[in-house]
Amino acid sequence: AQSVAQPEDQVNVAEGNPLTVKCTYSVSGNPYLFWYVQYPNRGLQFLLKYITGDNLVKGSYGFEAEFNKSQTSFHLKKPSALVSDSALYFCAVSPYGGATNKLIFGTGTLLAVQP
Amino acid sequence: NAGVTQTPKFQVLKTGQSMTLQCAQDMNHNSMYWYRQDPGMGLRLIYYSASEGTTDKGEVPNGYNVSRLNKREFSLRLESAAPSQTSVYFCASRDGQGRNSPLHFGNGTRLTVT
Repeated sequence: AQSVAQPEDQVNVAEGNPLTVKCTYSVSGNPYLFWYVQYPNRGLQFLLKYITGDNLVKGSYGFEAEFNKSQTSFHLKKPSALVSDSALYFCAVSPYGGATNKLIFGTGTLLAVQP
Repeated sequence: NAGVTQTPKFQVLKTGQSMTLQCAQDMNHNSMYWYRQDPGMGLRLIYYSASEGTTDKGEVPNGYNVSRLNKREFSLRLESAAPSQTSVYFCASRDGQGRNSPLHFGNGTRLTVT
C-alpha cells in the first residue's frame, strides 16, 4: 500500500539550533514530494517540493529538504530554528502513475521551538 | 487576492441536521478538493473536482455530497450529520491537474456534530 510516514509526533528544538522533521514514503515509481506547514487555526501552506533533479531543494522561510531515494526519505531541515517556526508540518507524496488528484499526506509533526 | 475562502468558519450541528460548506477560489484554478483533518490521521480526501462539471470520490466520501457550481465554487453537503463527521474541513485548489502543482488551502471549517 502507498503511504507516507512521519515517525515523530513532536519535535522539540531550541531557537538557533538546526532542526530536522522526518518523512519516509512507500510508493511505486518516482514520487513527487511536498512539505506543507499549518499554523494554528489556518489552512496548510506550501513550503517546498521535489520533482526531479537536485536532491536538496530549497523552499520558503529558509527551509530545505533532502530527497534520498535509497532510504525513501524526504526530511525537512533548517539550519537555525526560530520560535516563529513552531507549527504543524505535513509531508505529502503524489505517486507516479496514480490519478493526478491523489496526494497522500502524513499524519503531521508538531514542531516546538523553545526560546 | 483572497485565495481560497471557506464559509462558515465554525458550525455546530445536531445529529441528523444538514448543512452545506461553501468554498470559493479566485485563482482561476481548474481543480478543487475537499479534505477532512482529524487528530493523528492527517488529511483525508473526501471528494475532488478535476475541472468544472466533474466530481469524483476520494478516500472517505460516505455521508457527503459535492457540487462544482462553476469554476470558482465547490460546495460540500452533509445531508444527515453524524458525530463521526465532527472534524475540520479544508477546501483546496490547484492549477491544472499535474502532479507537481501544489495545493492552495482555505482556513478551514470547524464542525461539531452533537
